This record gives sequence, structure tokens and C-alpha cells, in this order.
Amino acid sequence: DAKTTQPPSMDCAEGRAANLPCNHSTISGNEYVYWYRQIHSQGPQYIIHGLKNNETNEMASLIITEDRKSSTLILPHATLRDTAVYYCIVRAGRGSTLGRLYFGRGTQLTVWP
Amino acid sequence: NAGVTQTPKFQVLKTGQSMTLQCAQDMNHNSMYWYRQDPGMGLRLIYYSASEGTTDKGEVPNGYNVSRLNKREFSLRLESAAPSQTSVYFCASSRNPGTGTTDTQYFGPGTRLTVL
Repeated sequence: DAKTTQPPSMDCAEGRAANLPCNHSTISGNEYVYWYRQIHSQGPQYIIHGLKNNETNEMASLIITEDRKSSTLILPHATLRDTAVYYCIVRAGRGSTLGRLYFGRGTQLTVWP
Repeated sequence: NAGVTQTPKFQVLKTGQSMTLQCAQDMNHNSMYWYRQDPGMGLRLIYYSASEGTTDKGEVPNGYNVSRLNKREFSLRLESAAPSQTSVYFCASSRNPGTGTTDTQYFGPGTRLTVL
């Protein structure tokens, strides 16, 4: 699976958009980009995933560049409850590693009032 | 639905003791996973079960065994606990180990294990 690079920490004011970047320059054609987050001491929570098109759900938007080497998770109106570690994960859609998620250290997002 | 449940929530062991961590899901998912998370680190996969009756090693399987008891339950056993196994253990499940929405993994609340 492709490795990902994320900034270790970011801050955001409550009510503003939080834009979390992820670099995955070695991504291959069948690899998906997944985002999870982990609020302190809890189990990780799925946010969104995509292959090459931009995606949006009730939690966030995912913007994937045309060359797929990087992506941005957007929380449109961050709240204090969005303070968490955000993990960007790239994984294959099939093969021996099917089903595995490889977590890095993620980005600690702190939303301040 | 309770989702994914784990027992116990906390456990303290002495070196050499054994114990089993229990995990159950009520979402009728086919695949289940065990991860460990050390302080300041991301999660690392220990073992997973793509479907009932199958198990496979993940990144860090040494010192652990698993049992997929039935579709709902997936247990993790430490036969002889070591201080290096002090960690938070998370269980997860997904409908199928495929792609897209069916592969979304749902995590339990974790078991905090300390080995003295």
C-alpha cells in the first residue's frame, strides 16, 4: 500500500473550514484514499473515501487532485467536537492486502473557540 | 444496534499471565480485525478474519493468537503477556473486505491493557 504524509498538527477556528492535506505521491491506479478520525481515547471513526472523483457526505468533502498524488479533507464548518487525530489511508482494492488499513501518525486537528 | 463491543475495557496483567480479549459485532459483518495502538502512534493490524472460518496475520502477529468463534465474535489471546504488549487494543468489523462502502471498518471502544 502507498505511504501517506500528513502534517503532524493543525489548528482551526470554530465555524471555519478545516482543510487537512495528505500527500500520497506513490499511489497506484487501484488504490483508494480513506479518511478516518480518532477522538481522544475512542476507536477510529470512518469519515469518507474516494478513488479519483471528489466526494462529499454529511461529515466532510474529499478533494483528490487530478494526478491523485494528494488529497484534502474538508470539514466545512469545524466545531469543537471535530478536535481529533485525522488519518489519511491509501489502500488497495484487491489482492493479498485486501481489507487492511495502514494507519500512520495522522494529523492532530485542534479546533479552538 | 450496539455495533462493535469489546470486553474488558481495562486489564492489568503480570508478565507471563495469559488472557483473552473478546470482541463481538451485531452488524452481520463478514470481516473482523484486531489492531493495537501504542502511545502517540497509529494503529497496527495484528490479525484479521476476512470471513467466518478464516484468519490471517497482519503486521504484528507475534505473541498473539486469534479465534473466529462464529460470525459475530473474534477473540484475541495473549498466551504469555510481556510488557511490550502494553497497549490499547481495538477490534473492528466490516461487511466485506472489498472496496467502497462495504469495506468501511467500524471500531469498538478499545481495551486498555497494561502488562507489569
